[in-house]
Amino acid sequence: EPEVTQTPSHQVTQMGQEVILRCVPISNHLYFYWYRQILGQKVEFLVSFYNNEISEKSEIFDDQFSVERPDGSNFTLKIRSTKLEDSAMYFCASSELGHSNQPQHFGDGTRLSIL
Amino acid sequence: SQQGEEDPQALSIQEGENATMNCSYKTSINNLQWYRQNSGRGLVHLILIRSNEREKHSGRLRVTLDTSKKSSSLLITASRAADTASYFCAVSGNTPLVFGKGTRLSVIA
Repeated sequence: EPEVTQTPSHQVTQMGQEVILRCVPISNHLYFYWYRQILGQKVEFLVSFYNNEISEKSEIFDDQFSVERPDGSNFTLKIRSTKLEDSAMYFCASSELGHSNQPQHFGDGTRLSIL
Repeated sequence: SQQGEEDPQALSIQEGENATMNCSYKTSINNLQWYRQNSGRGLVHLILIRSNEREKHSGRLRVTLDTSKKSSSLLITASRAADTASYFCAVSGNTPLVFGKGTRLSVIA
């Protein structure tokens, strides 16, 4: 069964540095998402992406964050000037169609640790 | 907020027993979805129930939806140790999926 893959599985970065988290969504999916889960807390929506542009974003997704689909397969989340509170699991997901009526398929996440 | 909230927060049962988890939400929805998360892993979609459906089955899973009470339940029958995980409901209206805090299920062999 096709999977969403994320790399790296664990990223350790100094505060203030930039990080890029990578995702390869399922190939025939059209919608892509990033979520964040701070340890012990709920999964929080960050952003959705369709047709090479952001379709929705949450309050969390401020100017510090950006997403890109640099080629036909990768979907990246860039976090600039990382802060301690950015430490979390970051999950990528994809779906065939829009979020409202389709299940989303998640990767296993990247654990981001900011020191 | 459309956020789904699961109840109970934690549930511990013996293998072979049934597990029931509940989800409540506040506004109108298009559908409600249940996901499972094993420790350190991503979420796995279990089942989607649309707002015009009342019950749905998938293997050992049974989901009900009561839109008048704005609630849903997930029943896992004949539980197995491998069912140990966190279970989340996610509601969807005209906004992105909003997850609850989850129910942590422990199935003891």
